[in-house]
Amino acid sequence: EAGVTQFPSHSVIEKGQTVTLRCDPISGHDNLYWYRRVMGKEIKFLLHFVKESKQDESGMPNNRFLAERTGGTYSTLKVQPAELEDSGVYFCASSQDSWYIQYFGAGTRLSVL
Amino acid sequence: EDKVVQSPLSLVVHEGDTVTLNCSYEVTNFRSLLWYKQEKKAPTFLFMLTSSGIEKKSGRLSSILDKKELFSILNITATQTGDSAVYLCAVENYGGSQGNLIFGKGTKLSVKP
Repeated sequence: EAGVTQFPSHSVIEKGQTVTLRCDPISGHDNLYWYRRVMGKEIKFLLHFVKESKQDESGMPNNRFLAERTGGTYSTLKVQPAELEDSGVYFCASSQDSWYIQYFGAGTRLSVL
Repeated sequence: EDKVVQSPLSLVVHEGDTVTLNCSYEVTNFRSLLWYKQEKKAPTFLFMLTSSGIEKKSGRLSSILDKKELFSILNITATQTGDSAVYLCAVENYGGSQGNLIFGKGTKLSVKP
């Protein structure tokens, strides 16, 4: 069974540009989460999808971040325009049910120059 | 503010040593505590703890939760070089999104041959 996959593994962009991160959860997992770790800090929750619906987006830092999960399968996280402080590792996780274990992807390292 | 604190931040031991990693938490709506192991990329699940005093064990790793004192420990006996990783502690906050994980900064364990 394939795990959670994220693409790209690393993205380097300039300030002001747009970047889109993608997450493919484990097949059959309705719950999809986005997290972010900036350097020196702990991993922080961004948002939670249940199927295609946003269950909780309280962790999204500002309106430059837009997450979608059309059709309830893969999800994208777009940052537009990117700022220097957006640099970090963006993790995606999925779980079968909100009670179950979250399985994490390898993360996308975003570097904003 | 909800928080999870891990200690130590970094630890260097030799093969065969036994280590204890600590995780304390202050979370408004605790539901479970999880331990993950992060080697190069994706955090991989180790344990989920929901009840006090019940030890979870997997090979040389074991963990226990104390909900009265608000902490958990992760023990690794007879350490091997393959145990080298960052160990993450996360607490599930039920008050917000179901499954909203609050992470500590992690403990970086280095096992020398």
